[in-house]
Amino acid sequence: GQQLNQSPQSMFIQEGEDVSMNCTSSSIFNTWLWYKQDPGEGPVLLIALYKAGELTSNGRLTAQFGITRKDSFLNISASIPSDVGIYFCAGYSSASKIIFGSGTRLSIRP
Amino acid sequence: DTAVSQTPKYLVTQMGNDKSIKCEQNLGHDTMYWYKQDSKKFLKIMFSYNNKELIINETVPNRFSPKSPDKAHLNLHINSLELGDSAVYFCASSQLAGGEQYFGPGTRLTVT
Repeated sequence: GQQLNQSPQSMFIQEGEDVSMNCTSSSIFNTWLWYKQDPGEGPVLLIALYKAGELTSNGRLTAQFGITRKDSFLNISASIPSDVGIYFCAGYSSASKIIFGSGTRLSIRP
Repeated sequence: DTAVSQTPKYLVTQMGNDKSIKCEQNLGHDTMYWYKQDSKKFLKIMFSYNNKELIINETVPNRFSPKSPDKAHLNLHINSLELGDSAVYFCASSQLAGGEQYFGPGTRLTVT
């Protein structure tokens, strides 16, 4: 079946560093969504992407819809402690088919 | 105002019991979903309803039965609970099928 490969699985960064994570698939997607999940909470939508090549920002977050429609990346600039959490990508291959990546766990080194 | 709400937040029950989880959204969305998140945090879609009609039914045991009494509500009933059903269950909604999904706070189900 369809799979989304999300990497890295986890990362430790220093406060103030930039962060980059991505999702790739062998399948084409029509929409990419990026979420953040804090412990004990539901995923919160960060950015939605609808067109190949689209680059969208939300504060310090920037995400892009890959030209091939098979990948997407999320960048976080100048990380702060509240950026800690699990980040998920999700892609729709059709209006009714969504699949989530396995998540990137972001931690900050004290 | 909570956009997508679920009750209960925690549910502890014994194997073999039947339980229900309720979900309500006040966003006016047409589509609602149920997800299961396992201990490794992997999110898997279970069901999706659009305007009270089932549009996605992934490979889920038929012990799980969703019910949508109206557009704003999607409940999940689970019969004969098993240990492997222990997980966090999330409800979500979107304006249209294929749109941005907004998640509830989750229901942590523990089967003993």
